[in-house]
Amino acid sequence: QKEVEQNSGPLSVPEGAIASLNCTYSDRVSQSFFWYRQYSGKSPELIMSIYSNGDKEDGRFTAQLNKASQYVSLLIRDSQPSDSATYLCAVAGGGNKLTFGTGTQLKVEL
Amino acid sequence: GAGVSQTPSNKVTEKGKYVELRCDPISGHTALYWYRQSLGQGPEFLIYFQGTGAADDSGLPNDRFFAVRPEGSVSTLKIQRTERGDSAVYLCASSLNPSTSGFFYEQYFGPGTRLTVT
Repeated sequence: QKEVEQNSGPLSVPEGAIASLNCTYSDRVSQSFFWYRQYSGKSPELIMSIYSNGDKEDGRFTAQLNKASQYVSLLIRDSQPSDSATYLCAVAGGGNKLTFGTGTQLKVEL
Repeated sequence: GAGVSQTPSNKVTEKGKYVELRCDPISGHTALYWYRQSLGQGPEFLIYFQGTGAADDSGLPNDRFFAVRPEGSVSTLKIQRTERGDSAVYLCASSLNPSTSGFFYEQYFGPGTRLTVT
């Protein structure tokens, strides 16, 4: 079982819709969770961090964390074509390294 | 302010050669990380520096890989006797130094160095 699992996609949503990206992790001691956006040929760009159970909103983005279920998600409201990218879920537990999932490719269609 | 910078952006080398990849972190960030990303995969941890010392090098794949950070700022990742399997994008990230409370500061990535071993 991989430590951080994501559906590779592609996830296709129409412009203006809500995109829902999901991530599960296996290490129960994980404390910090991050979402990165990565455009093709570019490096990962941090878009959200979440540390406590519940929701955290930042503009069109909402991160949701459920530590009991070992589940973290990212919602993107009013999806735009510029949101088309690969979204990487990253988890930090004991130690200071990030463990990444393989990423979910999101396509926002006109 | 300036972000993490990495040089070179691309490096093509022949199998068996030695390469050095450089990372300049965000000013004021005392923690520095190296990751490697292969096509279709997420970044994979290599090594983490707190100041000048390597606090965790558990991700280095073998003894051909070595990294230094002599003055606690710029870091160099060194790969000896390169192999075709070393071809990947090498990413550097930096953050504020994680506190003893366990709070994990956000990591910011540089643009990466694409290494191709022929």
